Amino acid sequence: DAKTTQPTSMDCAEGRAANLPCNHSTISGNEYVYWYRQIHSQGPQYIIHGLKNNETNEMASLIITEDRKSSTLILPHATLRDTAVYYCIVRVRAAGNKLTFGGGTRVLVKP
Amino acid sequence: SAVISQKPSRDICQRGTSLTIQCQVDSQVTMMFWYRQQPGQSLTLIATANQGSEATYESGFVIDKFPISRPNLTFSTLTVSNMSPEDSSIYLCSVSGAGDEKLFFGSGTQLSVL
Repeated sequence: DAKTTQPTSMDCAEGRAANLPCNHSTISGNEYVYWYRQIHSQGPQYIIHGLKNNETNEMASLIITEDRKSSTLILPHATLRDTAVYYCIVRVRAAGNKLTFGGGTRVLVKP
Repeated sequence: SAVISQKPSRDICQRGTSLTIQCQVDSQVTMMFWYRQQPGQSLTLIATANQGSEATYESGFVIDKFPISRPNLTFSTLTVSNMSPEDSSIYLCSVSGAGDEKLFFGSGTQLSVL
């Protein structure tokens, strides 16, 4: 699975959009981009995934660049409950569904 | 989504002893995985639990240290054997269904070894 690069940490203001970048310059054509988050003392939670088109669900939006070398997770209206570590993961769907976690971005939502 | 129950949620153990962690899912799942999260670190995959056969271990993890069972499609156990303080971590069970894009995680077992 391709390696990803994320900022170690970032702060954002409550009620504002949080934009979390992820670089995956060595991504292969059959690798998907997945985002998970881990709130303190809990197991990771699935957020969203995509291949090349932008995706949106009730939690977030995922914007993938045309060359697929980077992506951005957008939390449209961050709340204090969104404080967590966010993991960007790229993987081939056929790889036994296992996920390889990197360091993630520690996001602190401030009032 | 699958509901995953892990037991125990936390334990404090003595060096040299073993602990078995249970993972119970409320529905049949295809894949079950065990992860370790050391203090302040990200998650590391230990192994894939295979129903009716030996687990598939990742590099750096061996069956003698982390024996895994998976007798059916809803249950798995991970044993941490001959524990040392370096084994103090959170151990997480993860599952997915056939064709399911998503992995679901249990809330983990917080293990402290004295």
